Amino acid sequence: DAGVIQSPRHEVTEMGQEVTLRCKPISGHNSLFWYRQTMMRGLELLIYFNNNVPIDDSGMPEDRFSAKMPNASFSTLKIQPSEPRDSAVYFCATLDRGGTTEAFFGQGTRLTVV
Amino acid sequence: DQQVKQNSPSLSVQEGRISILNCDYTNSMFDYFLWYKKYPAEGPTFLISISSIKDKNEDGRFTVFLNKSAKHLSLHIVPSQPGDSAVYFCAARDNAGNMLTFGGGTRLMVKP
Repeated sequence: DAGVIQSPRHEVTEMGQEVTLRCKPISGHNSLFWYRQTMMRGLELLIYFNNNVPIDDSGMPEDRFSAKMPNASFSTLKIQPSEPRDSAVYFCATLDRGGTTEAFFGQGTRLTVV
Repeated sequence: DQQVKQNSPSLSVQEGRISILNCDYTNSMFDYFLWYKKYPAEGPTFLISISSIKDKNEDGRFTVFLNKSAKHLSLHIVPSQPGDSAVYFCAARDNAGNMLTFGGGTRLMVKP
């Protein structure tokens, strides 16, 4: 398996634009997490899904953020409209709840909003 | 309110010596703890874990200790190597839903 695949790796956009980050989980993994890494807060959990269903989105900072998981092999994190303070590295991680406990991370998307 | 805290943002250690990274948590419902290592421009990778029913887990140069009464865990690396230089994240699993909560990370620098 190629691991968790995130795209794009880098995204530079102007304030006010819509940004969509994508994640392809490891095949068979049934939990998916979106994290944001910043200098101030480290790795903060935004939202997670179990079996494609959102379980906890309390970490989503504002209504500008939304996430979907239409099927077991794809998830998106959307920011609309984007703001400079959204600049961070966004990670997707997945795990198999019936298997080992550790989550596997993608390489992240570095988002810069100018 | 941060449920998992790593109070040392950075640590510098000489090659060959022991590195000790610390982590504190507040949620008594955490039942599994993990350490991840992160290199620049890469995603975090799993390093070692420990169940709440144990107080020690060892894997080669890496040992994790858990003190449940103090809600504290630590990662020991001995001997430290320059390739260990990275950011280390402590994480805890919520037994209700497999959610992983991370600390803020500690940047370890191992000097040759």
